[in-house]
Amino acid sequence: QKEVEQNSGPLSVPEGAIASLNCTYSDRVSQSFFWYRQYSGKSPELIMSIYSNGDKEDGRFTAQLNKASQYVSLLIRDSQPSDSATYLCAFSQGTYKYIFGTGTRLKVLA
Amino acid sequence: NAGVTQTPKFQVLKTGQSMTLQCAQDMNHNSMYWYRQDPGMGLRLIYYSASEGTTDKGEVPNGYNVSRLNKREFSLRLESAAPSQTSVYFCASCAQTGGTEAFFGQGTRLTVV
Repeated sequence: QKEVEQNSGPLSVPEGAIASLNCTYSDRVSQSFFWYRQYSGKSPELIMSIYSNGDKEDGRFTAQLNKASQYVSLLIRDSQPSDSATYLCAFSQGTYKYIFGTGTRLKVLA
Repeated sequence: NAGVTQTPKFQVLKTGQSMTLQCAQDMNHNSMYWYRQDPGMGLRLIYYSASEGTTDKGEVPNGYNVSRLNKREFSLRLESAAPSQTSVYFCASCAQTGGTEAFFGQGTRLTVV
């Protein structure tokens, strides 16, 4: 089993819709979770961090964490074509290591 | 606000050549990382430095060496480049080791022919 599982996509949503991106992880002791956005040819850019169960909202983005079920999700409301990118889920393992998923490619259709 | 700066942005090497990728951060972060990113493989940790003066291997350290020159700078050296090292390399830093957000440099696209 991979440490982080993400559907590679592409996930296509129409402009203005809600995009839902999901991620499952295998390390039960992980405490810190992150979502990064990566445009083609660019570096990962941090969007959200979440440390406790529940929802965390920041503008159009909502991160949801469920440690019991070992999944974290990212909702993007009112999706825009500029949101089209690859979204990487990550968690910190132990004291130094960040484990990244391979990413889900999102396409927002105008 | 530069954040994490990597040089060079692009590089082509011949098999067997050596080179050093440079990384510097101006956020006073303790921890620094080198990742490589290959299609379908995600980001894989090569080496990391939890704090100034320490370095440790990550998942894929073979063929690489690192130096934490000071708190700001963390370099990655390829002693004898191989085609398998063709990749995009990212440097990252975070305030403390693990648990807090990591910030990435703009990447170095390396091709070994």
